[in-house]
Amino acid sequence: DGGITQSPKYLFRKEGQNVTLSCEQNLNHDAMYWYRQDPGQGLRLIYYSQIVNDFQKGDIAEGYSVSREKKESFPLTVTSAQKNPTAFYLCASSKGQGAGANVLTFGAGSRLTVL
Amino acid sequence: ILNVEQSPQSLHVQEGDSTNFTCSFPSSNFYALHWYRWETAKSPEALFVMTLNGDEKKKGRISATLNTKEGYSYLYIKGSQPEDSATYLCAFISAGGTSYGKLTFGQGTILTVHP
Repeated sequence: DGGITQSPKYLFRKEGQNVTLSCEQNLNHDAMYWYRQDPGQGLRLIYYSQIVNDFQKGDIAEGYSVSREKKESFPLTVTSAQKNPTAFYLCASSKGQGAGANVLTFGAGSRLTVL
Repeated sequence: ILNVEQSPQSLHVQEGDSTNFTCSFPSSNFYALHWYRWETAKSPEALFVMTLNGDEKKKGRISATLNTKEGYSYLYIKGSQPEDSATYLCAFISAGGTSYGKLTFGQGTILTVHP
């Protein structure tokens, strides 16, 4: 079955460490996204990529970095510069532009806790 | 950052009750509005894609309406069942500028249906 795989599901990090969250999709989708969820808040966009080797900052990109070297993969690195990294991270993908094509398919999420 | 608001933040109803909640979004540069359902321990799933003013969509006991001129969408659930318990998210897509193609989410409405 096609879908999005995020790993790890749970991750603990010490302050000052960089961590990378994996996101892989086999849906042949062009666009991929990273969202962050905090309690009482909606999903906030960190980065998105509409095509391989290209990505754009979302609303809260500071302290994060991404790469899009392959269509299937869009890893997110949470750097030590991110002041409050403890959160739930969701990866999503969509076929591309167009209202219907923008419908997101989500992964199961990764919960990052900074100790 | 575009302002997308959902109300109420949470809602408790009894099994069999009908309920509705609201998503408010900018009335200019409208491209599309999505509704997603996010059940506990699962990934968010798309319910509806709405693109035209006056759109009405229906899936079983759940329906949605759209008013792009005044910037709101309603989601209705008829005869709520415990399995309808979830967080309902709306996502606005702007037609132009630097926000084109990006989904901006509301904070969600948490629905709990009591047996």
